Amino acid sequence: QVQLQESGPGLVEPSGTLSLTCAVSGGSIRNNGWWSWIRQSPGKGLEWLGEIHHSGSTNHNPSLKSRVTISVDKSKNQFSLKLTSVTAADTAVYYCAKNGAYCSNIWGPGIPVTVSS
Amino acid sequence: EIVLTQSPGTLSLSPGERATLSCRASQSVGSTYLAWYQQKPGQAPRLLIYGASSRATGIPDRFSGSGSGTDFTLTISRLEPEDFAVYYCQQWSSPPLYTFGQGTKLEIK
Repeated sequence: QVQLQESGPGLVEPSGTLSLTCAVSGGSIRNNGWWSWIRQSPGKGLEWLGEIHHSGSTNHNPSLKSRVTISVDKSKNQFSLKLTSVTAADTAVYYCAKNGAYCSNIWGPGIPVTVSS
Repeated sequence: EIVLTQSPGTLSLSPGERATLSCRASQSVGSTYLAWYQQKPGQAPRLLIYGASSRATGIPDRFSGSGSGTDFTLTISRLEPEDFAVYYCQQWSSPPLYTFGQGTKLEIK
């Protein structure tokens, strides 16, 4: 059974870069097509940020414009999220998830990230 | 961007009752591209329904989904104490933006 675990700093300074990693266990990232990042903040509910295929193809939420980068490291069986120029509005719980048939069928437990100086 | 509107915002029911939750889309999402999730406090969302009506692995058959086009429904036939949570719908019809509804909180009456 595939399991996911997010990791990264819980505190990021304004204008800095938020960097998170999602470790995949119980299965190979190569054997499952797409992987997503989603966040949840009190003000905006659940927000889909983007997804990556094990081949490296990506899709991103247009509202985040060029601030989001999602990458995959097949050798480490993990994928990552980078969000630049963060503000307080980026404070949220960040989740990684495995995509199924037009759904996210496995989620990590989530990692809270606060943007503050 | 497809906007999903869930209603009601809060639903107060008793164990054993039937719950009906609605998700309405601003434009058609077909019948394949709609999922439902359950979220309990301090936990990640859990997939309940995909393809509008297919139950995810391990989901009890008291949960059912229906609908197509712009109107979708999640029904819980007989509420168990562990069913009281927040429920979200999500559409996968409009890449690259897979939007969520704002959620329905199901609380114990």
